[in-house]
Amino acid sequence: DAGVIQSPRHEVTEMGQEVTLRCKPISGHNSLFWYRQTMMRGLELLIYFNNNVPIDDSGMPEDRFSAKMPNASFSTLKIQPSEPRDSAVYFCASSPGQGSQPQHFGDGTRLSIL
Amino acid sequence: QKEVEQNSGPLSVPEGAIASLNCTYSDRGSQSFFWYRQYSGKSPELIMFIYSNGDKEDGRFTAQLNKASQYVSLLIRDSQPSDSATYLCAVQGGKLIFGQGTELSVKP
Repeated sequence: DAGVIQSPRHEVTEMGQEVTLRCKPISGHNSLFWYRQTMMRGLELLIYFNNNVPIDDSGMPEDRFSAKMPNASFSTLKIQPSEPRDSAVYFCASSPGQGSQPQHFGDGTRLSIL
Repeated sequence: QKEVEQNSGPLSVPEGAIASLNCTYSDRGSQSFFWYRQYSGKSPELIMFIYSNGDKEDGRFTAQLNKASQYVSLLIRDSQPSDSATYLCAVQGGKLIFGQGTELSVKP
């Protein structure tokens, strides 16, 4: 079975540029999560969707960050404009339900903003 | 107080020993508890979940939950060098909160 698929795996860009990260959840999973992981702050939830609807975006750091889920099989996380402090590994995860179901992670996108 | 706390380690154990990883949480209403393993440069991988007080065993892994003490632990029996990784405790209340992780090193 295909797991959560993220692209790109690595992204290096200059500050001020727009960055778009992509995620395809596991088929049949109706919850999708975006996380950011850094050494200093660990794994932080940015936003999660249930049935394509954003449920909690309280972890989105600021207005430069936005996320969409136009359908059940695709989501994007966009940073515009990007800043060096956005450098991190961004993970997408999905789960079968909204509540206590385990989440399954994609391989992540390693983002470096120069 | 952090919502989910783990000792950062590193925890070093000899091969074949029992590794004990601990986690405490602050939200008394939390209902679901997960352990993820993360190898360096890789994504978190679910290894155990537990919902009820007591022990849950899966192969060499045992998760233990004590809701009264707000404590969850992971025991790894017969530790192998391949178990060397960071272990993340995650607690589901309103949303899933991860601890900072405990680095485990198993020495041959």
